[in-house]
Amino acid sequence: KQEVTQIPAALSVPEGENLVLNCSFTDSAIYNLQWFRQDPGKGLTSLLLIQSSQREQTSGRLNASLDKSSGRSTLYIAASQPGDSATYLCAVKTPDSSYKLIFGSGTRLLVRP
Amino acid sequence: DAGITQSPRHKVTETGTPVTLRCHQTENHRYMYWYRQDPGHGLRLIHYSYGVKDTDKGEVSDGYSVSRSKTEDFLLTLESATSSQTSVYFCAISDSTGTLTGELFFGEGSRLTVL
Repeated sequence: KQEVTQIPAALSVPEGENLVLNCSFTDSAIYNLQWFRQDPGKGLTSLLLIQSSQREQTSGRLNASLDKSSGRSTLYIAASQPGDSATYLCAVKTPDSSYKLIFGSGTRLLVRP
Repeated sequence: DAGITQSPRHKVTETGTPVTLRCHQTENHRYMYWYRQDPGHGLRLIHYSYGVKDTDKGEVSDGYSVSRSKTEDFLLTLESATSSQTSVYFCAISDSTGTLTGELFFGEGSRLTVL
């Protein structure tokens, strides 16, 4: 059974710092991996999608990598800003026909001014 | 933003009453999902649909039923609401046909309180 883990559960950094969020999964047979952002009381916003055949994806200050063999993904945020404060979730999509996503429990990020 | 609308956004109801949550999409995506989000449990899949009238159970489907009579609408029904079903419910859509990548898009959520 696929399990997704995100460590740490919470992170507090000063503004301007570069940071890395971690996501690990137990079964390397995935269709893709997706990173989301969730602000309090809001829905999930898709940040980056990495297909199983890809190694990384970039969008602005965000870079996500994928290493299927080790069951790991990282989300790198460059030059963090207070507006980056949110909960970040990763999810892996199963390779079967249901295309279900299995979510990690998230990392709550606080960027201090 | 993906065109996903959930209704109602907030609802308070009493134990034993039926409740229906609606998810409406304007993207013509094939797959639709209902998740619930609870502190300490994260996001858990309730039911999903892979086409009109084609649905299947997720990991926490007991006490819930779904229907999809049109591509754009996916309904989640609690036949007899219980306090354990107090939660925030999210609808999501995806598709991987043509140029679509299988990316999942979420609605804003429906907060349900069962007293």
